[in-house]
Amino acid sequence: SAVISQKPSRDICQRGTSLTIQCQVDSQVTMMFWYRQQPGQSLTLIATANQGSEATYESGFVIDKFPISRPNLTFSTLTVSNMSPEDSSIYLCSVPGQGAYEQYFGPGTRLTVT
Amino acid sequence: AQKVTQAQTEISVVEKEDVTLDCVYETRDTTYYLFWYKQPPSGELVFLIRRNSFDEQNEISGRYSWNFQKSTSSFNFTITASQVVDSAVYFCALSEAHASGGTSYGKLTFGQGTILTVHP
Repeated sequence: SAVISQKPSRDICQRGTSLTIQCQVDSQVTMMFWYRQQPGQSLTLIATANQGSEATYESGFVIDKFPISRPNLTFSTLTVSNMSPEDSSIYLCSVPGQGAYEQYFGPGTRLTVT
Repeated sequence: AQKVTQAQTEISVVEKEDVTLDCVYETRDTTYYLFWYKQPPSGELVFLIRRNSFDEQNEISGRYSWNFQKSTSSFNFTITASQVVDSAVYFCALSEAHASGGTSYGKLTFGQGTILTVHP
């Protein structure tokens, strides 16, 4: 399985500011995924990030709010812009596993917006 | 559209009891993959198992076993002789095998999760 790290592991941010979350993988992967897990809820896919192309966003998520960068095959960032308390969540990145139809997840970034 | 339902929001058992977590799914795809993940209090997601739609053979791994029944669209997870360390949120998830444009390749649809608490 891939080893995935995320930075920061947690943060407390003020309303109206932005936070950039980094995801680093120890191997090259074509696709990376960003998920959001609101408190007490399940995981919801935000977007799929392919290297060399624009990210593909799921319904309910827009690029202006969650811009994503994918500069190479081992790294991606997700920015949560103009934050509000409703953005308080765990944000997780994931990558496909060897079987291609499984995914391994990073440790998550726990964001609290005050 | 795909959907995964975990009807049990919370389960509480005493150590050494067996416990089964239910998962029912909906999909129009004939080829798909089913998963179970564990999320302990620390928050990380731990991959437990993947099953493809063509393989209905049940699987056992130590104290864990999985029962996949395509006829009832269910993929249930049993923990035998539960332990306190099994306390976590367990998620069932579904993945398409193919998607138009390749953009949902590997995309997972998660159930709401079941909170399992094992008391000593």
